[in-house]
Amino acid sequence: GAVVSQHPSWVICKSGTSVKIECRSLDFQATTMFWYRQFPKQSLMLMATSNEGSKATYEQGVEKDKFLINHASLTLSTLTVTSAHPEDSSFYICSATQSTGMAYEQYFGPGTRLTVT
Amino acid sequence: AQSVAQPEDQVNVAEGNPLTVKCTYSVSGNPYLFWYVQYPNRGLQFLLKYITGDNLVKGSYGFEAEFNKSQTSFHLKKPSALVSDSALYFCAVGDPRGYGQNFVFGPGTRLSVLP
Repeated sequence: GAVVSQHPSWVICKSGTSVKIECRSLDFQATTMFWYRQFPKQSLMLMATSNEGSKATYEQGVEKDKFLINHASLTLSTLTVTSAHPEDSSFYICSATQSTGMAYEQYFGPGTRLTVT
Repeated sequence: AQSVAQPEDQVNVAEGNPLTVKCTYSVSGNPYLFWYVQYPNRGLQFLLKYITGDNLVKGSYGFEAEFNKSQTSFHLKKPSALVSDSALYFCAVGDPRGYGQNFVFGPGTRLSVLP
């Protein structure tokens, strides 16, 4: 159980276009999902926290108008990279949380590699 | 603020030998500690966590980690390394109250197990 999927797994787009990445919790309801960005040979950096039915909370330095997040249901969150540029090329990973009493579990998707040409 | 350090960028070990991947942390209050593994072009896979209880935590794929409060460490260990263990390992510290906002990853340690 507790599987998180992402689609697409990789995408190549031209500079100036927009790309949408989906994150789904397949067998549980996730009230909160997170979006991370990972540069080569670096750790994950939290971009934003997405709560179902409300606006996402962005980390400092992350442009909310460029990285649009929509959490329309308890099983789906989307990240849209608008007007993508080569510097947006990265590995994007989402995670979804499932509360288990005092602690919580965070389950990660397989990631989406975005290449902007 | 919470922080995690992984002092080694790279760890090399021969197959069959024991391995250790180091992690130290800094938190205010009780630490909630995690280890994840990442294979190339893949997301993170959960290995184990320490929330409370025994200092020695056993996890997936034969890995274990020892929580040491006095040394603020949470080193990942395995008695006998496999070539398939070669991957990128992340230590993380979390807060059940804060979810992702207080979930901080270390910089990662690349483990290479040599045949």
